[in-house]
Parts: sequence; structure tokens; C-alpha cells
Amino acid sequence: DAGVTQSPTHLIKTRGQQVTLRCSPKSGHDTVSWYQQALGQGPQFIFQYYEEEERQRGNFPDRFSGHQFPNYSSELNVNALLLGDSALYLCASSPSGTPYEQYFGPGTRLTVT
Amino acid sequence: SQQGEEDPQALSIQEGENATMNCSYKTSINNLQWYRQNSGRGLVHLILIRSNEREKHSGRLRVTLDTSKKSSSLLITASRAADTASYFCATHSSNTGKLIFGQGTTLQVKP
Repeated sequence: DAGVTQSPTHLIKTRGQQVTLRCSPKSGHDTVSWYQQALGQGPQFIFQYYEEEERQRGNFPDRFSGHQFPNYSSELNVNALLLGDSALYLCASSPSGTPYEQYFGPGTRLTVT
Repeated sequence: SQQGEEDPQALSIQEGENATMNCSYKTSINNLQWYRQNSGRGLVHLILIRSNEREKHSGRLRVTLDTSKKSSSLLITASRAADTASYFCATHSSNTGKLIFGQGTTLQVKP
């Protein structure tokens, strides 16, 4: 049973560019959450998707957007990248009945130069 | 914003010793979870304790929760070098799945 997978593993972008990160949830999970983890900090909640809609959003600007597909996989898009967007981006999946029981993927390390 | 504050920020012990880390939070919660993170990679779920529980065990892990003090502790007994990692507490308060993480405790276990 495959766990949560994320791609790519690492990414280097330039300020002002746009980036798309991808996540495939654990089998049987239909809810996907995204977190940003800056170096030395705990993860911060970006948003959660369920039934292809954004169910809850954290304190992140509109430059951060997402999408969930019918197969429950998800994308995180960040526009107009800033240096401060450099972080580890973590995807977590969970079953709809217990959305707080989250299983995390290995993350995507984004570096903005 | 971070809900929890973890204490200590860093902990260094010898193999075989016990490690205790603490987490405090600000608002009422449904449950609290502890996660482990190795070398800045994905988080591994360790244990969940519900707001109506006071103590929970899982192998070498013991978690306590004191909702009156809004605090939790994680005890790792008979530590091993493989326990070297960062440990985070995460609280759940909403009716969705948003988790609010603390800043983490970095544990080093010396062989």
C-alpha cells in the first residue's frame, strides 16, 4: 500500500516565477492538506481540499492556490514567488471521517533564488 | 500562527536514558498528536490523545494531556540513537482537519 507521494523532491525557482507541486494521497484517503515548513519551524497549515473544493484555508495570501482532482490527488500552485516562499512543502492525506488523522508525504523542498 | 510552544527547543541525552518534551497550547482542543521528523523530511505520526484522555502509551512512548493547564508531554523511554529527530506536537480544534503545530523539540541521542 503506497503512502502519500509528492513530486518533485527538490525544486529551484527564481523570484517572480510560478511553481506547481503535486501530491498523491494514501489509498483510501479523500482529503488532502498542504503545509509550509520554514527551516527550523513547525509546519503551517495552508489549506485543505475535500471533494475537489477548498474546505479550510490558513493565513496565506492568494498567491497560494490549489486544486484537487477526481482521483483525490492534489496540486499546490504558488504564483509570483518570493524569497520567503523557500521552504519544505508537505502534503498530508486523511480519510474524510477523521480529517485530523493525517499521513504526511516526504515533502518538496522549494528554493527561491 | 503557531498554537503550541515546545520545551525544550533542543535536548541531548545518552542512549538508554529517557527523554521528556513538553508542549503547551492556547485554545481548547479536540485532540493532540505527536509527530517525528527526521532530517527535514516528512512527518511520521506517533500518537494521538483525545481531549477526554489523560494518558496514553504506545511502545516506548508515553503521552500525557492536561487540558486544565493546556499542556502535554511526550516521554520516550530507553532512548536509542535512531530516536534522534525533531518532535512536534499538533493540536486539532476545528471541525475540519486543520492541525496547528508547535515549534518542535530537536532530540539528539548519543550512542
